[in-house]
Amino acid sequence: GAGVSQSPSNKVTEKGKDVELRCDPISGHTALYWYRQSLGQGLEFLIYFQGNSAPDKSGLPSDRFSAERTGGSVSTLTIQRTQQEDSAVYLCASRAPANTDTQYFGPGTRLTVL
Amino acid sequence: GDSVTQMEGPVTLSEEAFLTINCTYTATGYPSLFWYVQYPGEGLQLLLKATKADDKGSNKGFEATYRKETTSFHLEKGSVQVSDSAVYFCAEGGSEKLVFGKGTKLTVNP
Repeated sequence: GAGVSQSPSNKVTEKGKDVELRCDPISGHTALYWYRQSLGQGLEFLIYFQGNSAPDKSGLPSDRFSAERTGGSVSTLTIQRTQQEDSAVYLCASRAPANTDTQYFGPGTRLTVL
Repeated sequence: GDSVTQMEGPVTLSEEAFLTINCTYTATGYPSLFWYVQYPGEGLQLLLKATKADDKGSNKGFEATYRKETTSFHLEKGSVQVSDSAVYFCAEGGSEKLVFGKGTKLTVNP
């Protein structure tokens, strides 16, 4: 597709379960970002990938959160032992290599932890 | 750390009114500045950007000027339409991450 895609679009889970959220960036985009959008906190940065490595993971809220990227393309954000405060919309963005700082966002995954 | 402050909403205007949404940032140096818009039920879209001092970003009748002396990037539109109803986010950053303001919800009534 032409844009950033994310799956699932909605995820409802029970407290304590693990969840995986997927992001497919725009083809050829080497940089990939995860953000979280919640009512109380607004839009927060979580982690940044350049290729398959993550030079900045300073926004991950706890060690229950992890992310990986393989093949310089798809990324997965994993939340272990989910808590109710993890409920939010998780947004993925990607950026083309070199000479641009514009990030293009996907539609997000709405996570609800019961 | 860096932060972005934008005027709190919600903002309600009549069609054809003038819009200003204030935004200030704290980053030192010369970050790029952005306005993103989120229409109801849709994802974040880039509205406009500016990459250096005194640059003016513009799109769809919206404008914002990068003011280094006041660390501001206020969004303006001369005549809003009902279709401009959305949440607007100011952001600053470079290649590594964006720092967002909390968003301003705009409602335009016919």
